[in-house]
Amino acid sequence: DAGVIQSPRHEVTEMGQEVTLRCKPISGHDYLFWYRQTMMRGLELLIYFNNNVPIDDSGMPEDRFSAKMPNASFSTLKIQPSEPRDSAVYFCASRRSSDTEAFFGQGTRLTVV
Amino acid sequence: GIQVEQSPPDLILQEGANSTLRCNFSDSVNNLQWFHQNPWGQLINLFYIPSGTKQNGRLSATTVATERYSLLYISSSQTTDSGVYFCAASNSGYALNFGKGTSLLVTP
Repeated sequence: DAGVIQSPRHEVTEMGQEVTLRCKPISGHDYLFWYRQTMMRGLELLIYFNNNVPIDDSGMPEDRFSAKMPNASFSTLKIQPSEPRDSAVYFCASRRSSDTEAFFGQGTRLTVV
Repeated sequence: GIQVEQSPPDLILQEGANSTLRCNFSDSVNNLQWFHQNPWGQLINLFYIPSGTKQNGRLSATTVATERYSLLYISSSQTTDSGVYFCAASNSGYALNFGKGTSLLVTP
């Protein structure tokens, strides 16, 4: 398996623009996670899905953020409108079940100017 | 959720030295992992170790679940071991909560 695949790897956008980050989990994994990493806050959970259903979105900063998982092999994280404080590295991860190892994608480095 | 604390926050070693990184967690866990974030930002899986001891080359890890801590041992450190080491834990099917990491620099 190719592992968790995220795109794009880098994104530079202007404040106010819509940004969409994409993730393909490992085949057969039932859980998908979105994390954000910043110097100030470290690695924080934004939202996670189990069998394509959002389970916990309490980490989503505000209504500008939304995430979807239309099928078992694809998820998106959307920011609309983007702000400079959204600049961070966004990671997607997946795992097979509740007590198995999680694997992370290479991340998307987002810069909002 | 589970609180994860790591120590020390920073560590500088000379090549060849050994080190021990510690991770304390606030509740029982069914998932505990150690990661290495390399200078390119990739999160590399080191160990999945909710309990017991595992070894992989120069690295080994031990989790004492009843006492709520885990240790990562690095022996004969190399410059390529530099980076940030994260411990993350969860229970009952929840998502992993990460500690703040230990930043390791190995000098030649």
